[in-house]
Amino acid sequence: AQSVTQPDIHITVSEGASLELRCNYSYGATPYLFWYVQSPGQGLQLLLKYFSGDTLVQGIKGFEAEFKRSQSSFNLRKPSVHWSDAAEYFCAVGARDGNKLVFGAGTILRVKS
Amino acid sequence: DAGVIQSPRHEVTEMGQEVTLRCKPISGHDYLFWYRQTMMRGLELLIYFNNNVPIDDSGMPEDRFSAKMPNASFSTLKIQPSEPRDSAVYFCASSRGPRTQYFGPGTRLTVL
Repeated sequence: AQSVTQPDIHITVSEGASLELRCNYSYGATPYLFWYVQSPGQGLQLLLKYFSGDTLVQGIKGFEAEFKRSQSSFNLRKPSVHWSDAAEYFCAVGARDGNKLVFGAGTILRVKS
Repeated sequence: DAGVIQSPRHEVTEMGQEVTLRCKPISGHDYLFWYRQTMMRGLELLIYFNNNVPIDDSGMPEDRFSAKMPNASFSTLKIQPSEPRDSAVYFCASSRGPRTQYFGPGTRLTVL
């Protein structure tokens, strides 16, 4: 069965600093990979997804993620964080032969000014 | 285009009462998913439908929970009777094909 690990429960970065949120997955083949963001009191918004092809994926709001098969990772990055990026971020994995997503526990991002 | 619509946004009820949560998926989407989010258990898939047919309800916690999708534009999640441990945020998501899911704003349920 698939599993997703987000090792960092909380991360605090200064506004303008770079950001990397970690995501590791366990799956026997290359899965579909997603990052979602959830602001307080809101639903989950899709940031980006990886299905195949270029392993560096661009998303909305200036985010990007890189799929590394050898490390079973799909880390999310942003070169310069804005205060409005403070939210909870979820990595999700889907099997290519299945219909369900498995979500990580989430990483809460705090941005300090 | 309108996104996934859920109602009500907030629901406060007393233990033992019936609760019905509603979801309108994005037009043209053929998959619909119901999730529950709690601090302790994170985001859990309860059930999902394809073309209005329930495909996998293995995540439904108990017989007190039931879900229906009478047509492509509407789904309900019902809890009867409700208990305090059902307090959570319930999300509906839809997708065209089973891959990229789009989430609604959620219903925050509080059972007293």
